[in-house]
Amino acid sequence: SQQGEEDPQALSIQEGENATMNCSYKTSINNLQWYRQNSGRGLVHLILIRSNEREKHSGRLRVTLDTSKKSSSLLITASRAADTASYFCATFRYNAGNMLTFGGGTRLMVKP
Amino acid sequence: DAGVIQSPRHEVTEMGQEVTLRCKPISGHNSLFWYRQTMMRGLELLIYFNNNVPIDDSGMPEDRFSAKMPNASFSTLKIQPSEPRDSAVYFCASSPGTERYEQYFGPGTRLTVT
Repeated sequence: SQQGEEDPQALSIQEGENATMNCSYKTSINNLQWYRQNSGRGLVHLILIRSNEREKHSGRLRVTLDTSKKSSSLLITASRAADTASYFCATFRYNAGNMLTFGGGTRLMVKP
Repeated sequence: DAGVIQSPRHEVTEMGQEVTLRCKPISGHNSLFWYRQTMMRGLELLIYFNNNVPIDDSGMPEDRFSAKMPNASFSTLKIQPSEPRDSAVYFCASSPGTERYEQYFGPGTRLTVT
């Protein structure tokens, strides 16, 4: 079963707007990661946030983590048409081996 | 580094045929993962290896699927015999296995079984 569940499943915005995607998970984690997948391509690692961190920034990306609510959000500011892709959260736990557990993804469309 | 390399990029085969997908992980990475992605089921982990040893193959759908990692630089995923429901994109990913455990994905193999 999937550990992470993204919300919404699909999001359509205009270029320049901010996009927010949410991820919920079920068990304790050591870190949470966000990945992007362009159509027809493999997933690309975007950003990682550890369980003892609450917020992380990378360029136009901002990730928050609330371990008490078992949720995370990914904010993309000033979106561009090139941000159009699917975004996945993935959780990591040391006692679950080296594997990541991926959610179902959010499909983001940024209209020019 | 060239990243994770997968071959072939596209494979079209007839039902009943054997299919072999290949993966070369990033040099120095000690974990390798095989995933399958479809519209219906999303991204599914099939099997993963640590230091060339299979750790968890609970995601392998049936005995028709098998995976090997004979050395640190090569892995195969084999389907024999193939069926139309095996049509999907198959991804290989590798991870350095450090405290971060991020994964690096290959471009995928799009398999179509007719």
